[in-house]
Formats: sequence, structure tokens, C-alpha cells
Amino acid sequence: SQKIEQNSEALNIQEGKTATLTCNYTNYSPAYLQWYRQDPGRGPVFLLLIRENEKEKRKERLKVTFDTTLKQSLFHITASQPADSATYLCALDRMDSNYQLIWGAGTKLIIKP
Amino acid sequence: NAGVTQTPKFQVLKTGQSMTLQCAQDMNHNSMYWYRQDPGMGLRLIYYSASEGTTDKGEVPNGYNVSRLNKREFSLRLESAAPSQTSVYFCATLAGGPGTDTQYFGPGTRLTVL
Repeated sequence: SQKIEQNSEALNIQEGKTATLTCNYTNYSPAYLQWYRQDPGRGPVFLLLIRENEKEKRKERLKVTFDTTLKQSLFHITASQPADSATYLCALDRMDSNYQLIWGAGTKLIIKP
Repeated sequence: NAGVTQTPKFQVLKTGQSMTLQCAQDMNHNSMYWYRQDPGMGLRLIYYSASEGTTDKGEVPNGYNVSRLNKREFSLRLESAAPSQTSVYFCATLAGGPGTDTQYFGPGTRLTVL
């Protein structure tokens, strides 16, 4: 079955540095992968989608890479700020359904001033 | 636009009680979803509705029922609540069709079953 893994340990980063989060998956080759941000007590908010034929995608200070050989996506936040502190979730399309996503458990990012 | 709204925000039930979680969207999206989120686990799909008039089971449907009342509203019912159903429940909608699966989430309902 499809599996998706994110680092369950919180990631502590100094303000101004680049934060890098990892999403690994097995037993599948997804057509696309998404990253979401979730703040405490709120629902996830979509950030970026990257397709299997795209190596990299950027949005302001965010960058996502997608390595289909390694079965891994990296999510980077450059010039990190305390306001970037949140839990970041990755999700990929489910191979047996056009309408469903498989979700990682998320990685908590803490940006220290 | 309110986006995706959910009621109630918090609920405490006793084992065996029933309740309905409400979800409404003003985004004119066809597909709607119910997830549960538990600590240390990814979002798990309970039920979804690809379009008005259709509903399908997700990964963890046991103990739940759903109703797609119209295009805007999708409700989740717990007929006989159990402590294992203590969780945070999210409703979501799908923008676009398959292959463009950006989902928009409501604020969640925090449910405790005693």
C-alpha cells in the first residue's frame, strides 16, 4: 500500500536561515505532490503543488523539489521568519482514486528569533 | 466569501450518543470531503462526495454516515459515538477536477467522546 513519511520530530531553525522539510513515499509513483501549512487549531492551507514532470517549483520564499527516482520531495523556506512556524503537511494523489489524497502526518517547524 | 464553514467548533458526547457535524461551502466546488485528524497520524478520509448526489467511503468509514444535502452542504453523522471517535474532524472541498486536487479546509470540529 502507499506510504508517505515525514519527520515526526520538530525542526528548530534560526530566523533568517533556510528550513528544509522532507517528504518520502513508497510503493507508488504519484502524478503530483502537494504541500500544506497547518496552524494550531486551524485547517490545512494549500501552499504548492508539483507534478511528476516538474523538478522544482517556487512561490515567493518557498521552493519545492520532486525527485521521482528517490521518491522524495523537499520543501524549502528561505529567509525563514517566526511567522513561518507551523506544521507542514505533504500529500500525494492516491493511485486507485482520482479524488483522494494520501497525507503525511506533518512536520512541526519552529523558527526561533 | 466564508469559504468552508463547520459547526460546531467543539463538542463533548457520551458514549452511545449521536450527533451530526455540519459543513457548508460557498466556493461552488463539486467535491467535498470529511477527514479526521489524530495526533501523530496523517489526515484520514472518512467519506467523500465527488459531486452532488454521490457519496463514497474513504479509508475509515465505520461508525459514520454522510449526506450530501445539496451542492453546498455535506454533513457527517455519528449514530452511536465511541471513545475511538474522539478526534478533530475537518471538512474540505476540491478545487478543480481530478489532477488538480487542491483542497480547501474548514476550521475543524474538535470532538471528545467520554
